Amino acid sequence: GDSVTQMEGPVTLSEEAFLTINCTYTATGYPSLFWYVQYPGEGLQLLLKATKADDKGSNKGFEATYRKETTSFHLEKGSVQVSDSAVYFCALWGNNRLAFGKGNQVVVIP
Amino acid sequence: DSGVTQTPKHLITATGQRVTLRCSPRSGDLSVYWYQQSLDQGLQFLIQYYNGEERAKGNILERFSAQQFPDLHSELNLSSLELGDSALYFCASSTLGLAGKETQYFGPGTRLLVL
Repeated sequence: GDSVTQMEGPVTLSEEAFLTINCTYTATGYPSLFWYVQYPGEGLQLLLKATKADDKGSNKGFEATYRKETTSFHLEKGSVQVSDSAVYFCALWGNNRLAFGKGNQVVVIP
Repeated sequence: DSGVTQTPKHLITATGQRVTLRCSPRSGDLSVYWYQQSLDQGLQFLIQYYNGEERAKGNILERFSAQQFPDLHSELNLSSLELGDSALYFCASSTLGLAGKETQYFGPGTRLLVL
């Protein structure tokens, strides 16, 4: 079935560093792709999305480009802040369901 | 605040019991989704309702059932509870149920602990 793979393990980095979280997917058809963020003690919030190949989603300084040729949707931010500390989930909607990756904990140190 | 409310916030119960989780979608949203988040399984889609009808089904166990009422609130019923059902249960809503295109708005979740 459709699935999403995120890189293993937490990500710890200093304030103003460059952030990349890798996400690759397996799907039949043409799924929509999402990044969700979960701040401590809260529910998920949609961070950005892309619904077709080569679309770029962007929000709050974060960007991700839907790459069909590499089946990827990597999340990037040029200069992270302490307030970006959260868990980030890559997800795809295909075959009438939303499939999530395992999530990556991001810790930004001042 | 997403506008989606879930009750209760926390629930502690024993194995073999039955519980009901409640979700009220954002005003104007017709579709409700249920998700389970656990340490070993991660985030899993359980089921989607649109305007009272089941629209999509994910990894929902037979011991679990859900429904959406005419006022659009939804309930997730979990029965014959097992230790492994301990998890955070999220509800989300969207306007037209087009999950591939629309934003889903998530509630704060109900944390279930089965002892």
